[in-house]
Amino acid sequence: DGGITQSPKYLFRKEGQNVTLSCEQNLNHDAMYWYRQDPGQGLRLIYYSQIVNDFQKGDIAEGYSVSREKKESFPLTVTSAQKNPTAFYLCASQRTGGIYEQYFGPGTRLTVT
Amino acid sequence: ILNVEQSPQSLHVQEGDSTNFTCSFPSSNFYALHWYRWETAKSPEALFVMTLNGDEKKKGRISATLNTKEGYSYLYIKGSQPEDSATYLCAFIGKGQAGTALIFGKGTTLSVSS
Repeated sequence: DGGITQSPKYLFRKEGQNVTLSCEQNLNHDAMYWYRQDPGQGLRLIYYSQIVNDFQKGDIAEGYSVSREKKESFPLTVTSAQKNPTAFYLCASQRTGGIYEQYFGPGTRLTVT
Repeated sequence: ILNVEQSPQSLHVQEGDSTNFTCSFPSSNFYALHWYRWETAKSPEALFVMTLNGDEKKKGRISATLNTKEGYSYLYIKGSQPEDSATYLCAFIGKGQAGTALIFGKGTTLSVSS
C-alpha cells in the first residue's frame, strides 16, 4: 500500500535536547512538507521540499532543520533553539503542482518538558 | 501575509440536518483551493481540489462551490451523519505559488449527534 509513515506517534523529550521526527513516503511524490498544529491554530508550514537536496523555509522555520537526501524521506529535527516545541507535527507529500492534493501522515505528538 | 478564514469555527448538528460552512481567501492571484476532512485520530484526507470560478464538486453527500471573484468557497453536507463528524480544512494556493505550500485555514469542526 502506498502512503506516508511518521514515527514515532508520541515522543517525549527533555528541554534542551534535539529530536528528529521521521517521515517516509512511497508515493513517488517529489514534494514533501512539514506542518505544525497547536490548539486553536491551523496547520502552519515549517519547511517544504520540492526536490531531493533542496528545501525551503516555511512560515515558522526558526528552531527547526530538515534534510532531503532521498526522495522518500524528509526528516525534521526540532532543535533546542525552538522555544515552544510541544505540538502535533504532520508530514505531507504531493505531486508537484497546486492542483494536486496533499497526502498526510498520521502525525507525531511531541512533548518537551 | 495571505489569510484564509473559515467559519464557523465549530458547529453541532443533529443527524439528518444539512449544513454548510465557508472558506474565505484572497480573491486576487487565485490558483487553487483544496478541501480536506480530518477525522479524530486519523490523517487529513483530500475532499476536493477546485481551480475554476463557478466550479462545483460533489462526493456523495458532500459538495463544494467556488467563487474566485469574491474569494469564497462553500462546503455543503446534505443529511449529516455521525461519521461526518470531523474538522474540515480549506487551503489556498496563489498563482506563482503552485508547487509551493498551501495556506490553511483553522478549520471548521463539525459534530453530528445521532
